[in-house]
Amino acid sequence: GAGVSQSPSNKVTEKGKDVELRCDPISGHTALYWYRQSLGQGLEFLIYFQGNSAPDKSGLPSDRFSAERTGGSVSTLTIQRTQQEDSAVYLCASSLRTSGRGTDTQYFGPGTRLTVL
Amino acid sequence: GNSVTQMEGPVTLSEEAFLTINCTYTATGYPSLFWYVQYPGEGLQLLLKATKADDKGSNKGFEATYRKETTSFHLEKGSVQVSDSAVYFCALSDQRKTSYDKVIFGPGTSLSVIP
Repeated sequence: GAGVSQSPSNKVTEKGKDVELRCDPISGHTALYWYRQSLGQGLEFLIYFQGNSAPDKSGLPSDRFSAERTGGSVSTLTIQRTQQEDSAVYLCASSLRTSGRGTDTQYFGPGTRLTVL
Repeated sequence: GNSVTQMEGPVTLSEEAFLTINCTYTATGYPSLFWYVQYPGEGLQLLLKATKADDKGSNKGFEATYRKETTSFHLEKGSVQVSDSAVYFCALSDQRKTSYDKVIFGPGTSLSVIP
């Protein structure tokens, strides 16, 4: 079946504009994760969804960042009033479940490269 | 808190050379350990994993052994190919600590294999 898809693949925006990044997880995967990959910062965790709820938003860098997930499927990461330091690759991953009995493999999408001018 | 340290590279090797990428971790619990690979223009893929001490993960000729005594999970391959050129990320997660798979990544090591 299809893997995790993300759109757009590239986004260039001006400082101060809002952007929306979309993630389509693998069908049937209940857990969804957003990460950010920045030069010099590596990969950092942003937010985790189980179904439509987000038990852990601790990685969101500021209140300009928000995310939602609807229907237990598609997720949108929104960045308001973008700043140059928001420039990064935003990665989405999904896994089948979080069972508490082991570690489920996370499958990553190709990412969205965001450039804030 | 939990963290992962790995050699950042870039690493450049000739084809058929032996590869080692060092990875050490800090964790308060008993994490699962992973190596992810990111080929040019592609997303992250799980390469191998180990879930407890002394486990060896292996895939595509790559191996890594979970060493609790040295808190290490070094990646090795006996003979690299040009197609192995990619960025390799060491990572950990401790579901017993967070109750879900929050993955902590190292900074990544860029590998270039030349013919």
